[in-house]
Amino acid sequence: AQTVTQSQPEMSVQEAETVTLSCTYDTSESDYYLFWYKQPPSRQMILVIRQEAYKQQNATENRFSVNFQKAAKSFSLKISDSQLGDAAMYFCAIGNEKLTFGTGTRLTIIP
Amino acid sequence: GAVVSQHPSWVICKSGTSVKIECRSLDFQATTMFWYRQFPKQSLMLMATSNEGSKATYEQGVEKDKFLINHASLTLSTLTVTSAHPEDSSFYICSASAGGGFRNQPQHFGDGTRLSIL
Repeated sequence: AQTVTQSQPEMSVQEAETVTLSCTYDTSESDYYLFWYKQPPSRQMILVIRQEAYKQQNATENRFSVNFQKAAKSFSLKISDSQLGDAAMYFCAIGNEKLTFGTGTRLTIIP
Repeated sequence: GAVVSQHPSWVICKSGTSVKIECRSLDFQATTMFWYRQFPKQSLMLMATSNEGSKATYEQGVEKDKFLINHASLTLSTLTVTSAHPEDSSFYICSASAGGGFRNQPQHFGDGTRLSIL
């Protein structure tokens, strides 16, 4: 069984600033992937970034980057230069074939 | 990028009726489709996994006779909520993958269906 914990139900950040969203997980799998998804009010699930557990190098995607600490089972998301369009629910997820999601963090961007 | 279409986007119906939700992969062959349920302000919970041409695998606690899943072709999976009741009201989301796990193929999500049972 897999579990994903997001301990921050809500976060806010000033526009143009940097924010980090936390995620910890537990899994007995040796081969798995980690994801951050964004869900805006439209409810569509949008892939933000993904990380292969077997890779030590942290994934980056433009303003989005992760801090993957495999031993600590931690997978945080850093959003740099926050923009108003970044406001959404952010879900951390892990899996190989099936995904297990965390409970989400609602991110508010303050103009 | 890959597109997954989900229909309808919103449906309201009376208690006791059955509702069918379609999930289509528009530009790739989806050997595996997943159905999730999301309650308001909560996370996505996997309901079942369906592979083309075979029976769906349901997660623990999900009633297979209540939530009928059919994956008859490589581009279409359907979820039928039978004899729906108000407690079945929720947001249902499908995702599709060409299979082989995330090493080979990512999941692509539909836009979801808001189901309201009166």
